[in-house]
Amino acid sequence: RKEVEQDPGPFNVPEGATVAFNCTYSNSASQSFFWYRQDCRKEPKLLMSVYSSGNEDGRFTAQLNRASQYISLLIRDSKLSDSATYLCVVNDPLKGGFKTIFGAGTRLFVKA
Amino acid sequence: ETGVTQTPRHLVMGMTNKKSLKCEQHLGHNAMYWYKQSAKKPLELMFVYSLEERVENNSVPSRFSPECPNSSHLFLHLHTLQPEDSALYLCASSRFLGQGSSIPLHFGNGTRLTVT
Repeated sequence: RKEVEQDPGPFNVPEGATVAFNCTYSNSASQSFFWYRQDCRKEPKLLMSVYSSGNEDGRFTAQLNRASQYISLLIRDSKLSDSATYLCVVNDPLKGGFKTIFGAGTRLFVKA
Repeated sequence: ETGVTQTPRHLVMGMTNKKSLKCEQHLGHNAMYWYKQSAKKPLELMFVYSLEERVENNSVPSRFSPECPNSSHLFLHLHTLQPEDSALYLCASSRFLGQGSSIPLHFGNGTRLTVT
């Protein structure tokens, strides 16, 4: 089983649509969770952290379910500029700190 | 200068060459990472350094040799690489805060490596 699993997509949605991405992780000891965004041929950039209580940043809502080892990202009112690959990320404990594990990413295409 | 800086941005090398990738962070972080991203594959963690000590070597071939002389600098020394090593090599840094928390990774722009 992969450490972090995501639906690779691609998701093709029209502008204004709501789209949801899901992710599962295998290590119950994982301690921190994030969503990153990666544009074509660019480095990944942090989109938002994910907490059990859920958190929202504008049109983006992230949720963590520790019992199910499941993470989600909801994007409302999609914009053309949201087109990118969305990476689910977990921090696993490591001697001296953490190692950060990335999912393979879910590609999103938002069309006019 | 702030952030994470990687040089060179692009590198073409033959299989018999020796080259080094450089990464420098100006964020005051205490951990640094090398990742490899091949076409159509997820980011693969290669090495983790925490407080200049290597804490993770993710079964990386010995033709890749990391070096972390201080908390701000990280190198990846390359020798006798294979064409399948062609990829985007990303450096990242973060800060361990203790008590099970850390700040997220901050990436450099990457070095796009082509092995001929």
